[in-house]
Amino acid sequence: GQNIDQPTEMTATEGAIVQINCTYQTSGFNGLFWYQQHAGEAPTFLSYNVLDGLEEKGRFSSFLSRSKGYSYLLLKELQMKDSASYLCAVRDKDGNKLVFGAGTILRVKS
Amino acid sequence: ETGVTQSPTHLIKTRGQQVTLRCSSQSGHNTVSWYQQALGQGPQFIFQYYREEENGRGNFPPRFSGLQFPNYSSELNVNALELDDSALYLCASSRTSGGQETQYFGPGTRLLVL
Repeated sequence: GQNIDQPTEMTATEGAIVQINCTYQTSGFNGLFWYQQHAGEAPTFLSYNVLDGLEEKGRFSSFLSRSKGYSYLLLKELQMKDSASYLCAVRDKDGNKLVFGAGTILRVKS
Repeated sequence: ETGVTQSPTHLIKTRGQQVTLRCSSQSGHNTVSWYQQALGQGPQFIFQYYREEENGRGNFPPRFSGLQFPNYSSELNVNALELDDSALYLCASSRTSGGQETQYFGPGTRLLVL
C-alpha cells in the first residue's frame, strides 16, 4: 500500500525557521518531491531527493532518510508569502506517478 | 510560470454529463500526467501518457479516459459525471517518463458537478 503522512497545519512567525516533516510507506521508491501550493493555484516544484542527505536551495532545504522513510522540508527566514500548503510526494518504483500526502498548511504570522 | 497551460479554468456541469479538459505541455516535454485534487487533499494520480500511449493508471474507473496528441498536448475525458467528480484537475508535464524527471504542473481546471 501507499501511505504518506504530514502534519495538517503549522503556524510560524515571520523571520523564523520551520520544519515540515513527511513520513512515507510505499511499495516502491524512486525519489521524493516537495511542492508548494498557494490556495487556488497549481503546485510548484521546490525540491527533489533521491539519495539520503540534505539538499539546499536558497531559503529551502530538504532532507531524506530512505531507511527511515522520512523527509523534512526546512524553510528559513520565513516570509508572509511562504503561507501556503506544502505537499510531500513520492515517485513510485515504475517512475510514472507521484503519490502525494494531503499537504501541510503553513501559516506565517507577523 | 511552468509553461504548462490548461483549459478551461473553470467549468460547471450536471450529473450524467460528459466533460473534456485540455492540457498543453511545456516545450520539449513528451510525458503528461493527470491528477485529481479534491478540496483539502493532495493530488491523486489518474493516468500518464508517454508518446501517445497510456503509461500507468491510478484507481480511477474507465469513465476517466485520456488522449495524447503528436504535439504532446493532452485531453482528459470524463463520462457520466458524478457529484464526487467535483475537484481541481491538474495536468503535469515532464521531459520523459520515469527517471528523475520533475513533473511541472499547469494551473488546473476547477470542475463543479451539480
